[in-house]
Amino acid sequence: KQEVTQIPAALSVPEGENLVLNCSFTDSAIYNLQWFRQDPGKGLTSLLLIQSSQREQTSGRLNASLDKSSGRSTLYIAASQPGDSATYLCAVQHAGNMLTFGGGTRLMVKP
Amino acid sequence: GAVVSQHPSRVICKSGTSVKIECRSLDFQATTMFWYRQFPKQSLMLMATSNEGSKATYEQGVEKDKFLINHASLTLSTLTVTSAHPEDSSFYICSAQKASPGDTQYFGPGTRLTVL
Repeated sequence: KQEVTQIPAALSVPEGENLVLNCSFTDSAIYNLQWFRQDPGKGLTSLLLIQSSQREQTSGRLNASLDKSSGRSTLYIAASQPGDSATYLCAVQHAGNMLTFGGGTRLMVKP
Repeated sequence: GAVVSQHPSRVICKSGTSVKIECRSLDFQATTMFWYRQFPKQSLMLMATSNEGSKATYEQGVEKDKFLINHASLTLSTLTVTSAHPEDSSFYICSAQKASPGDTQYFGPGTRLTVL
């Protein structure tokens, strides 16, 4: 059974810092890995999707990497801003088209 | 493109009543739709997978008679919470996927259900 773990569960940083969120998964047989952002009481916003054949994806200040063999992904946020405060979820898509989500990292960026 | 809507966005109901939540893919045909539940400060948990024209597949621990799923067309799936109780209060999110396995799932904005 696929299990996805995110570390840390919560993170508080001052504005301007670069930060790394971690995601690990137990079964490397995945189609893709996706990072989402969720604001309180809201739905999911897709940030980056990495196909299983890819190593990384970049969008603006965000960079996500994937090491499928070791079951790890990182989300790098450069020059963090208060508007980046949210919960970040990673999810892997695997057999049966299922998406398994990690527990999320709650990020607070302080002005 | 690839927009998914949910209706209603928020619903409050009395214990014992049934509530229907709609999930629509607005600009694409979705052969598969997924229903997730999210309790406060927790992650999303898959409840069931529905394929157009066939019965939904429920995850372990999800009562199929309580959470009725209908995927009657390629653009609409509904989740009906029957005889709702306060413990069913949660955030329900659907996603829709196009034809191919491994295609991205596109998520709806979610429905907040509160059962009094």
